Amino acid sequence: SQTIHQWPATLVQPVGSPLSLECTVEGTSNPNLYWYRQAAGRGLQLLFYSVGIGQISSEVPQNLSASRPQDRQFILSSKKLLLSDSGFYLCAWSASGDYGYTFGSGTRLTVV
Amino acid sequence: KQEVTQIPAALSVPEGENLVLNCSFTDSAIYNLQWFRQDPGKGLTSLLLIQSSQREQTSGRLNASLDKSSGRSTLYIAASQPGDSATYLCAVTGFNKFYFGSGTKLNVKP
Repeated sequence: SQTIHQWPATLVQPVGSPLSLECTVEGTSNPNLYWYRQAAGRGLQLLFYSVGIGQISSEVPQNLSASRPQDRQFILSSKKLLLSDSGFYLCAWSASGDYGYTFGSGTRLTVV
Repeated sequence: KQEVTQIPAALSVPEGENLVLNCSFTDSAIYNLQWFRQDPGKGLTSLLLIQSSQREQTSGRLNASLDKSSGRSTLYIAASQPGDSATYLCAVTGFNKFYFGSGTKLNVKP
């Protein structure tokens, strides 16, 4: 069966520090991968999605970037965090086409 | 651009009640619609997935319907329990993109 792993679960980082969040999927190949952010009390915002290795689509211009170095690995990064980057970050995957989505357990990021 | 709206934003009911959560979307050209549950501080758990060619899906006490032509979906929860308390999100799928509503926060009182 397919599983999705996301880490770390929680992270507290100072303003201006770098960020790297990792997401991996097991049990499938060539998944579509997604990064979402959920700010406190707000809905889910799609940040990036990827349909293949090295293929990244950005939905919102911001202080973050994403990379997909391997088929089942999706990384969210920042060179210098801002206070506004605080939030709950969720990774998700889907098979290409009209199948449903499965989410990871999320990373709670607090920038201080 | 697809816009997804969920009504009500919050709902509080006594245990045992049947309830309906609503989801509407502006573009009927969707691949599927999915209902999720999110507990505080947790990720999203998929409840039901309705393909664009389907009208409804059922799982236990949950029933979700889809009317593409009117851009609406409902999630029916029968005999609600305190353990059903959570935020319920609906999402519609376009081409490689997933659009979420802002959710309905449900509180089931014992």
